[in-house]
Amino acid sequence: NAGVTQTPKFQVLKTGQSMTLQCAQDMNHEYMSWYRQDPGMGLRLIHYSVGAGITDQGEVPNGYNVSRSTTEDFPLRLLSAAPSQTSVYFCASSLQTPFEKLFFGSGTQLSVL
Amino acid sequence: AQKVTQAQTEISVVEKEDVTLDCVYETRDTTYYLFWYKQPPSGELVFLIRRNSFDEQNEISGRYSWNFQKSTSSFNFTITASQVVDSAVYFCALSDITDSWGKLQFGAGTQVVVTP
Repeated sequence: NAGVTQTPKFQVLKTGQSMTLQCAQDMNHEYMSWYRQDPGMGLRLIHYSVGAGITDQGEVPNGYNVSRSTTEDFPLRLLSAAPSQTSVYFCASSLQTPFEKLFFGSGTQLSVL
Repeated sequence: AQKVTQAQTEISVVEKEDVTLDCVYETRDTTYYLFWYKQPPSGELVFLIRRNSFDEQNEISGRYSWNFQKSTSSFNFTITASQVVDSAVYFCALSDITDSWGKLQFGAGTQVVVTP
């Protein structure tokens, strides 16, 4: 019962470095999304995908890239990390749409120095 | 544009007290979905309930109940006889069909602290 798997759990980067946060689900879900969680701001949508090959921007997409080459995987790329990207990142998926129950990964705590 | 307001930042109660979490939403759409999620201290997010805009019936699940009122654009959550395990951050969220398709909007969350 893997569900939604996020790696790594913790990461420290220096300003300007790039990295990819991995997200994989084994439930054959079409809808996948990335959120960042900051104190006092709830969860904010970064990017989402409604199926392989289809992605779109959320509320805070700047500085992040995504692609969806398979149904299972939805990686989030930080192109040039900035201290403002220090946050906890969550990947989530649902069967087909954002109107259904979301299954969340366990989160990635990212610090950018 | 859709918006969710959870005005209560933190609520502290003693075990067995009832606690009500407020959620006020804004949307121009007539078709939308409302959610509540729980985030315990371990950090994972857990789905609690989903409501669509055409179903205003209140719902009860064990000690949890939800009051959906379209007239006041509110979807409040009550925990009856709270327990220490209820200590968590609770998020209300909104997703509408037309204006913001694909985008689930979360409120800022309410931290509930239940002390023995």
